[in-house]
Amino acid sequence: KAGVTQTPRYLIKTRGQQVTLSCSPISGHRSVSWYQQTPGQGLQFLFEYFSETQRNKGNFPGRFSGRQFSNSRSEMNVSTLELGDSALYLCASSLDWTFSYEQYFGPGTRLTVT
Amino acid sequence: KNEVEQSPQNLTAQEGEFITINCSYSVGISALHWLQQHPGGGIVSLFMLSSGKKKHGRLIATINIQEKHSSLHITASHPRDSAVYICAVNIGNQFYFGTGTSLTVIP
Repeated sequence: KAGVTQTPRYLIKTRGQQVTLSCSPISGHRSVSWYQQTPGQGLQFLFEYFSETQRNKGNFPGRFSGRQFSNSRSEMNVSTLELGDSALYLCASSLDWTFSYEQYFGPGTRLTVT
Repeated sequence: KNEVEQSPQNLTAQEGEFITINCSYSVGISALHWLQQHPGGGIVSLFMLSSGKKKHGRLIATINIQEKHSSLHITASHPRDSAVYICAVNIGNQFYFGTGTSLTVIP
Protein backbone atom coordinates (compact mmCIF):
# COMPACT_ATOMS: atom_id res chain seq x y z
CA LYS A 1 0.00 0.00 0.00
CA ALA A 2 1.37 3.39 -0.92
CA GLY A 3 2.03 5.78 1.94
CA VAL A 4 0.87 9.34 2.42
CA THR A 5 2.27 11.63 -0.24
CA GLN A 6 2.67 15.38 -0.12
CA THR A 7 3.46 17.76 -2.92
CA PRO A 8 5.49 19.78 -3.39
CA ARG A 9 8.25 18.75 -1.00
CA TYR A 10 9.94 22.15 -1.00
CA LEU A 11 8.58 25.57 -1.79
CA ILE A 12 9.92 29.10 -1.67
CA LYS A 13 7.43 31.95 -1.72
CA THR A 14 7.52 35.68 -1.20
CA ARG A 15 5.71 37.50 1.58
CA GLY A 16 2.19 38.41 0.51
CA GLN A 17 1.80 35.53 -1.95
CA GLN A 18 -0.45 32.57 -1.42
CA VAL A 19 0.40 28.87 -1.53
CA THR A 20 -1.47 25.58 -1.94
CA LEU A 21 -0.13 22.32 -0.57
CA SER A 22 -1.48 18.90 -1.47
CA CYS A 23 -1.82 15.67 0.49
CA SER A 24 -2.86 12.26 -0.83
CA PRO A 25 -3.84 9.87 1.98
CA ILE A 26 -3.42 6.13 2.15
CA SER A 27 -6.07 4.36 0.12
CA GLY A 28 -9.14 3.76 2.27
CA HIS A 29 -8.31 6.47 4.81
CA ARG A 30 -11.03 9.07 5.08
CA SER A 31 -9.50 11.42 7.65
CA VAL A 32 -6.74 13.87 6.80
CA SER A 33 -5.14 16.20 9.34
CA TRP A 34 -2.69 19.02 8.79
CA TYR A 35 0.06 20.22 11.12
CA GLN A 36 2.58 23.00 11.18
CA GLN A 37 6.02 22.45 12.68
CA THR A 38 8.42 25.28 13.48
CA PRO A 39 11.55 25.37 15.65
CA GLY A 40 9.93 27.88 17.98
CA GLN A 41 6.40 26.49 18.38
CA GLY A 42 6.97 22.82 17.65
CA LEU A 43 4.11 20.82 16.19
CA GLN A 44 0.74 22.53 16.04
CA PHE A 45 -2.58 21.21 14.80
CA LEU A 46 -4.10 23.11 11.89
CA PHE A 47 -7.28 21.24 10.97
CA GLU A 48 -8.82 17.86 10.26
CA TYR A 49 -11.04 16.83 7.37
CA PHE A 50 -13.29 13.82 7.12
CA SER A 51 -15.56 13.03 4.17
CA GLU A 52 -15.01 16.48 2.66
CA THR A 53 -15.99 18.26 5.90
CA GLN A 54 -13.75 20.13 8.29
CA ARG A 55 -14.34 18.48 11.66
CA ASN A 56 -11.81 20.26 13.86
CA LYS A 57 -9.70 23.36 13.60
CA GLY A 58 -6.69 24.59 15.56
CA ASN A 59 -5.92 28.13 16.63
CA PHE A 60 -4.69 29.56 13.38
CA PRO A 61 -5.86 32.69 11.57
CA GLY A 62 -8.32 32.53 8.72
CA ARG A 63 -5.45 32.85 6.23
CA PHE A 64 -5.04 29.12 6.73
CA SER A 65 -7.73 27.09 5.03
CA GLY A 66 -8.19 23.68 3.59
CA ARG A 67 -10.49 21.36 1.78
CA GLN A 68 -10.94 17.70 1.06
CA PHE A 69 -12.10 16.12 -2.15
CA SER A 70 -14.37 13.13 -2.69
CA ASN A 71 -11.32 10.86 -3.17
CA SER A 72 -10.06 12.00 0.29
CA ARG A 73 -7.17 13.98 -1.15
CA SER A 74 -6.74 17.23 0.71
CA GLU A 75 -5.29 20.63 0.04
CA MET A 76 -4.37 23.41 2.39
CA ASN A 77 -4.02 27.01 1.37
CA VAL A 78 -2.23 29.87 3.05
CA SER A 79 -3.02 33.33 1.77
CA THR A 80 -1.07 36.55 2.28
CA LEU A 81 2.04 34.72 3.40
CA GLU A 82 4.05 36.06 6.30
CA LEU A 83 7.65 35.34 7.22
CA GLY A 84 6.41 33.44 10.25
CA ASP A 85 4.60 30.96 8.02
CA SER A 86 7.95 29.42 7.11
CA ALA A 87 7.62 25.90 8.46
CA LEU A 88 7.37 22.21 7.75
CA TYR A 89 3.76 21.39 6.92
CA LEU A 90 2.79 17.80 7.60
CA CYS A 91 -0.34 15.94 6.77
CA ALA A 92 -1.45 12.65 8.25
CA SER A 93 -4.18 10.25 7.30
CA SER A 94 -6.15 7.76 9.35
CA LEU A 95 -9.12 5.48 8.89
CA ASP A 96 -11.46 7.70 10.86
CA TRP A 97 -11.42 10.27 13.69
CA THR A 98 -7.79 11.27 13.83
CA PHE A 99 -7.11 10.79 17.47
CA SER A 100 -8.81 7.45 17.91
CA TYR A 101 -6.91 5.79 15.12
CA GLU A 102 -3.26 5.44 14.24
CA GLN A 103 -2.05 8.29 12.10
CA TYR A 104 0.21 7.88 9.10
CA PHE A 105 2.28 10.93 8.31
CA GLY A 106 3.50 12.20 4.98
CA PRO A 107 7.07 13.44 4.44
CA GLY A 108 6.01 17.06 4.72
CA THR A 109 6.30 20.19 2.61
CA ARG A 110 8.99 22.61 3.68
CA LEU A 111 7.79 26.14 3.00
CA THR A 112 10.17 29.08 3.08
CA VAL A 113 8.74 32.59 2.93
CA THR A 114 11.18 35.35 2.00
CA LYS B 1 0.57 27.30 29.97
CA ASN B 2 1.50 24.06 28.26
CA GLU B 3 -1.17 21.43 28.09
CA VAL B 4 1.50 18.78 27.49
CA GLU B 5 4.86 18.63 29.24
CA GLN B 6 7.65 16.29 28.22
CA SER B 7 10.86 15.43 30.01
CA PRO B 8 13.72 15.33 29.58
CA GLN B 9 14.19 17.74 26.69
CA ASN B 10 17.47 16.12 25.67
CA LEU B 11 18.83 12.70 26.47
CA THR B 12 22.14 11.04 25.64
CA ALA B 13 22.56 7.36 26.34
CA GLN B 14 25.09 4.63 25.74
CA GLU B 15 24.03 1.80 23.49
CA GLY B 16 22.25 -0.87 25.51
CA GLU B 17 20.91 1.46 28.20
CA PHE B 18 17.28 1.50 29.32
CA ILE B 19 15.62 4.80 28.45
CA THR B 20 12.52 6.48 29.84
CA ILE B 21 10.78 9.53 28.41
CA ASN B 22 7.93 11.11 30.33
CA CYS B 23 4.82 12.98 29.28
CA SER B 24 2.36 14.76 31.57
CA TYR B 25 -0.83 16.50 30.58
CA SER B 26 -3.12 18.89 32.33
CA VAL B 27 -6.70 17.66 31.84
CA GLY B 28 -8.58 14.51 31.02
CA ILE B 29 -7.98 12.99 27.62
CA SER B 30 -9.32 10.08 25.62
CA ALA B 31 -6.10 9.08 23.90
CA LEU B 32 -2.40 9.77 23.84
CA HIS B 33 0.00 9.20 20.97
CA TRP B 34 3.74 8.68 20.97
CA LEU B 35 5.47 9.78 17.77
CA GLN B 36 9.02 9.39 16.52
CA GLN B 37 10.64 11.96 14.25
CA HIS B 38 13.94 11.29 12.55
CA PRO B 39 16.27 13.98 11.16
CA GLY B 40 14.79 15.11 7.87
CA GLY B 41 11.31 15.41 9.32
CA GLY B 42 9.55 12.10 8.77
CA ILE B 43 7.17 11.22 11.61
CA VAL B 44 6.13 7.71 12.55
CA SER B 45 3.37 6.87 14.98
CA LEU B 46 4.70 4.49 17.62
CA PHE B 47 1.76 4.00 19.96
CA MET B 48 -1.77 5.12 20.58
CA LEU B 49 -2.87 4.60 24.18
CA SER B 50 -6.06 5.14 26.10
CA SER B 51 -5.20 2.93 29.09
CA GLY B 52 -2.67 0.46 30.39
CA LYS B 53 0.41 -0.57 28.53
CA LYS B 54 1.49 -1.46 25.00
CA LYS B 55 4.67 -3.13 23.77
CA HIS B 56 6.21 -3.26 20.34
CA GLY B 57 9.62 -4.83 20.07
CA ARG B 58 11.97 -2.94 22.39
CA LEU B 59 9.48 -0.12 22.92
CA ILE B 60 6.99 -0.03 25.78
CA ALA B 61 4.43 2.70 26.43
CA THR B 62 2.38 3.09 29.57
CA ILE B 63 -0.32 5.50 30.60
CA ASN B 64 -1.85 6.33 33.97
CA ILE B 65 -5.10 8.15 33.32
CA GLN B 66 -5.65 9.12 36.97
CA GLU B 67 -2.19 10.66 37.30
CA LYS B 68 -2.34 12.17 33.77
CA HIS B 69 1.03 10.72 32.91
CA SER B 70 2.54 8.50 30.24
CA SER B 71 5.98 7.02 29.79
CA LEU B 72 7.81 5.67 26.79
CA HIS B 73 10.52 3.13 27.56
CA ILE B 74 13.19 1.85 25.21
CA THR B 75 14.97 -1.29 26.29
CA ALA B 76 18.46 -2.17 25.02
CA SER B 77 18.78 1.16 23.21
CA HIS B 78 20.52 1.27 19.84
CA PRO B 79 21.99 4.14 17.80
CA ARG B 80 19.13 3.77 15.31
CA ASP B 81 16.77 4.84 18.14
CA SER B 82 18.31 8.32 17.92
CA ALA B 83 15.41 10.60 17.08
CA VAL B 84 12.99 13.08 18.59
CA TYR B 85 10.14 11.50 20.51
CA ILE B 86 6.92 13.49 20.81
CA CYS B 87 3.79 12.83 22.81
CA ALA B 88 0.45 14.20 21.69
CA VAL B 89 -2.98 14.33 23.30
CA ASN B 90 -6.43 15.50 22.34
CA ILE B 91 -8.21 17.81 24.73
CA GLY B 92 -11.71 18.60 23.57
CA ASN B 93 -11.46 18.95 19.83
CA GLN B 94 -7.91 20.24 19.92
CA PHE B 95 -4.68 18.34 19.60
CA TYR B 96 -1.67 19.32 21.66
CA PHE B 97 1.91 18.21 21.29
CA GLY B 98 4.79 18.05 23.70
CA THR B 99 7.97 19.87 22.77
CA GLY B 100 9.74 16.60 22.13
CA THR B 101 12.64 14.69 23.64
CA SER B 102 15.77 14.57 21.53
CA LEU B 103 17.44 11.20 22.10
CA THR B 104 21.00 10.40 21.04
CA VAL B 105 22.27 6.86 21.54
CA ILE B 106 26.04 6.57 21.38
CA PRO B 107 27.61 3.30 20.16
